[in-house]
Amino acid sequence: DVKVTQSSRYLVKRTGEKVFLECVQDMDHENMFWYRQDPGLGLRLIYFSYDVKMKEKGDIPEGYSVSREKKERFSLILESASTNQTSMYLCASSDRTYNEQFFGPGTRLTVL
Amino acid sequence: TQLLEQSPQFLSIQEGENLTVYCNSSSVFSSLQWYRQEPGEGPVLLVTVVTGGEVKKLKRLTFQFGDARKDSSLHITAAQPGDTGLYLCAGTSGTYKYIFGTGTRLKVLA
Repeated sequence: DVKVTQSSRYLVKRTGEKVFLECVQDMDHENMFWYRQDPGLGLRLIYFSYDVKMKEKGDIPEGYSVSREKKERFSLILESASTNQTSMYLCASSDRTYNEQFFGPGTRLTVL
Repeated sequence: TQLLEQSPQFLSIQEGENLTVYCNSSSVFSSLQWYRQEPGEGPVLLVTVVTGGEVKKLKRLTFQFGDARKDSSLHITAAQPGDTGLYLCAGTSGTYKYIFGTGTRLKVLA
């Protein structure tokens, strides 16, 4: 079974703090994604990566950066957390053959 | 802009009833996925359909991809409380872009 794990299920941070969210997948997938999910807005793509050290901006990249140093690991960084970044963050991975996305359990981030 | 509209948005039914959820777009997709998401959890992949007209069954769930690959439906027979959750469809055209539906929140009452 494909497994995507995220470093934290719940996180509480203060405004201005630097926040790291880590995601690891064990299926050797080329593609990895970071989304945020908010009530009424659905899933919105922040960044994705199609290879090691490669990244592309999604629909809402402002205030975020990413890092992919190894194929299995994709990190999302909030350089200076703000209250409007309080959200559910979902990591996903997919292969290039079937294009099926598999999601991690999510990180509920609260910024105070 | 590609959109995937799901209907209904909300559905509350009694255990044992049947239901159908629809996912519609004006765009053609190379594949379409259905997910179920429970509160506080990530979406779990239920099925992927890739061929126009394709029908897939997963126990009491039946998924169909439209002939033109622009729409899909999910039919649940004899719904159970364990089917409660948010159902999402997502289409892709083979790029890195996935278009997610607006979601259908299902509640099955015992």
